[in-house]
Amino acid sequence: QQQVRQSPQSLTVWEGETAILNCSYEDSTFDYFPWYHQFPGESPALLIAIRPVSNKKEDGRFTIFFNKREKKFSLHIADSQPGDSATYFCAASDGAGNTGKLIFGLGTTLQVQP
Amino acid sequence: AQTIHQWPVAEIKAVGSPLSLGCTIKGKSSPNLYWYWQATGGTLQQLFYSITVGQVESVVQLNLSASRPKDDQFILSTEKLLLSHSGFYLCAWSLTGGGYEQYFGPGTRLTVL
Repeated sequence: QQQVRQSPQSLTVWEGETAILNCSYEDSTFDYFPWYHQFPGESPALLIAIRPVSNKKEDGRFTIFFNKREKKFSLHIADSQPGDSATYFCAASDGAGNTGKLIFGLGTTLQVQP
Repeated sequence: AQTIHQWPVAEIKAVGSPLSLGCTIKGKSSPNLYWYWQATGGTLQQLFYSITVGQVESVVQLNLSASRPKDDQFILSTEKLLLSHSGFYLCAWSLTGGGYEQYFGPGTRLTVL
């Protein structure tokens, strides 16, 4: 049972377009939602994260939109660049008990065409 | 600044042989530490977490074990490797006491033949 669903599996956009990556979750106790990106052969790197007190978080060209009622969140990458081509993972966590348990989606492979 | 180091960088091992992977973190006192596994082309699966020295909790059973012998060290091991153990092993850390951001080390790539 996949607790964090991610779509699409792969996405191709042209340079300068906005890429939109989507995630949904089931457990209403989740209270932290990060996005990681991973380049081939490298380890994942934290990109941006949001907590449900906000419905939007921006960091440069990267924006998370969060919808608590629908249990959905998305990553928007504005002005996409070829260097953004990577696999993006969303995740969700329940902070109770200080376990730091992170549940990851299956990933979206983003290709930005010049 | 904190740094996280994993060793070895890569391993090729035979089925049935033992394994020990290590992780150290410098520049952060008493962090939470985690082990993750990633199959080639797959997602990240949390295996173990530790909030303090000598205390390790298992998240999934994969015939692996973990230990935290020092505040800054986390070890992943098994006595008998399976083909299914192949993949990318990642150590991560976060602040203790409810800090959520997890930061990954460079990883160890394991091939079991």
